[in-house]
Amino acid sequence: DTEVTQTPKHLVMGMTNKKSLKCEQHMGHRAMYWYKQKAKKPPELMFVYSYEKLSINESVPSRFSPECPNSSLLNLHLHALQPEDSALYLCASSQDRQGDFYEQYFGPGTRLTVT
Amino acid sequence: GEDVEQSLFLSVREGDSSVINCTYTDSSSTYLYWYKQEPGAGLQLLTYIFSNMDMKQDQRLTVLLNKKDKHLSLRIADTQTGDSAIYFCAAGSYQLTFGKGTKLSVIP
Repeated sequence: DTEVTQTPKHLVMGMTNKKSLKCEQHMGHRAMYWYKQKAKKPPELMFVYSYEKLSINESVPSRFSPECPNSSLLNLHLHALQPEDSALYLCASSQDRQGDFYEQYFGPGTRLTVT
Repeated sequence: GEDVEQSLFLSVREGDSSVINCTYTDSSSTYLYWYKQEPGAGLQLLTYIFSNMDMKQDQRLTVLLNKKDKHLSLRIADTQTGDSAIYFCAAGSYQLTFGKGTKLSVIP
């Protein structure tokens, strides 16, 4: 199984809502990532978890709150978002620390629209 | 930090070869990657090259690396309509820096 799954596929939320994005992998990977991708732009790294601990936070606003409940699951909790946060949110995973080689497996993404 | 640049668009006829170019700034990147993104989908790792290699071939894909000029290219032989997608060059290790992506359009 080389699949990363993400739910929901699409999400529309108001600026006062609280919602969560979910990501799951069963490849035994110990590193998991959240990326944000705006239209016609490359993915931008938001967070990296390594062995269920947050190892990289790319100065992301606190209205985005990641959580890694176990080695297979990664959540992104959303609260008080702005319309400019509308984007495709991609989850990825990789085996941790194979030398310098990191094959990241990406999920299909959640298309988020903030109204 | 790392900076990765790519041309934004490429249009080729079906059956021709496509060449997508990329330049990067950080010579310490041990691996360089090519990812493919189809519309509405996540990214798929196509191929990668170790920095001490000049060339890597994988079926229809050939990656060329000029480490002196920090220039990477991806050649797709016998390009098919199914190859239409956005191709991202990426450098780094744990923390990847992606180029802006090259949109490949294949004309039947």
